[in-house]
Amino acid sequence: QVQMQESGPGLVKPSETLSLTCTVSGYSISSGHFWGWIRQPQGKGLEWIGSINGGESTFYNPSLSGRVTMSVDTSNNQFSLNLTSVTAADTAVYYCAREEAVENWFDPWGQGTLVTVSS
Amino acid sequence: QSALTQPASVSGSPGQSITISCTGTNSDVGSYNLVSWYQRHPGKAPKLMIYEGSRRPSGVSSRFSGSKSGNTASLTISGLQAEDEADYFCCSYAGVTTYVFGTVTKVTVL
Repeated sequence: QVQMQESGPGLVKPSETLSLTCTVSGYSISSGHFWGWIRQPQGKGLEWIGSINGGESTFYNPSLSGRVTMSVDTSNNQFSLNLTSVTAADTAVYYCAREEAVENWFDPWGQGTLVTVSS
Repeated sequence: QSALTQPASVSGSPGQSITISCTGTNSDVGSYNLVSWYQRHPGKAPKLMIYEGSRRPSGVSSRFSGSKSGNTASLTISGLQAEDEADYFCCSYAGVTTYVFGTVTKVTVL
């Protein structure tokens, strides 16, 4: 059974970098799928942030491009998100999920982690 | 990219059918038969319920069905049950390896 778990600081200061890691268990991240980050600000809809595969091909949401980088750590079966120059607008619950890139769905997902941007 | 539009809430009595709409544009929902739907119970991870507009993953109840007309996709829950009370959101492929998500609908079982 594939499981996803997000981890990282719950509080980030404005203008700093938000860094999150997703640990995958039950499936090798180098086995052909893409791996995505999605977020949901409180009271708003969800937003796709970007996706990466085991070979480190990346696709980012154009609205965040320039601030987002994603990477994989195959030795620890993890992938990570870095979002630079954060503002209060980046406060959200961040989810990681496995992406099926042909049929274009996300499953499974992690439970999500709340990141608050505040001084 | 603008978020797909969903009603904020939908409610129904046990046994009834409800439908949740997901309205996009001809750049996403209207151009691709690649809408997926997710269920999220409070504090839990979202769960895939429908993909490619109308296909159900193994293990998902046949009470859940999906369809599309033009720029609007829909999720129908038949024979509503108490366990269906949750948040639901849609997602559409939007070309050039990008995705757009919906605004989340809270389903209440009366």
